[in-house]
Amino acid sequence: EPEVTQTPSHQVTQMGQEVILRCVPISNHLYFYWYRQILGQKVEFLVSFYNNEISEKSEIFDDQFSVERPDGSNFTLKIRSTKLEDSAMYFCASKGKASGEQYFGPGTRLTVT
Amino acid sequence: QKEVEQDPGPLSVPEGAIVSLNCTYSNSAFQYFMWYRQYSRKGPELLMYTYSSGNKEDGRFTAQVDKSSKYISLFIRDSQPSDSATYLCATHGSGNTGKLIFGQGTTLQVKP
Repeated sequence: EPEVTQTPSHQVTQMGQEVILRCVPISNHLYFYWYRQILGQKVEFLVSFYNNEISEKSEIFDDQFSVERPDGSNFTLKIRSTKLEDSAMYFCASKGKASGEQYFGPGTRLTVT
Repeated sequence: QKEVEQDPGPLSVPEGAIVSLNCTYSNSAFQYFMWYRQYSRKGPELLMYTYSSGNKEDGRFTAQVDKSSKYISLFIRDSQPSDSATYLCATHGSGNTGKLIFGQGTTLQVKP
């Protein structure tokens, strides 16, 4: 069964460093998303991406964040200068059509020290 | 008012019990409703996806949507210890972005 994959599973970085979180969405999907979940809190939307551009972003997704689909299979989230409060689980999700189901990856646990 | 509200629990039931999980939402523009299951430190796993008011059944799971009262429910029949997890309700409107808005999640423990 097709699934969304994410790497790495756990990333530890120092404050101020850049990190890139990687995702491989389900192969025939067209809509891509990043969410995050701070420990003990709800899953929060960060950004949606369709047709090679951002279609919506949340207030969390400021200038320190960027997304890219560098080739036909990968979808990345970059945080330019990490802060302690960026520590969270980051989930990638994808769906095949506008009204379709959204499937999540296993997440990357980002720890900023 | 929060867009999606969900009692965080925890909810503890004996094995074999019928479980009822609930969410309320505030925006009548929300049209699509989902239930996800999340094990500790794992990604949300899609259980149910519904569009209209009414019931949808899949095995031991039944999702119910009442748009008039902005209330969604998930029922689990014959609950098993493996059902112990956090259950997240989520919704989005008809816009193409499909941004999901999640509830807090309800932690369920099914005791053998």
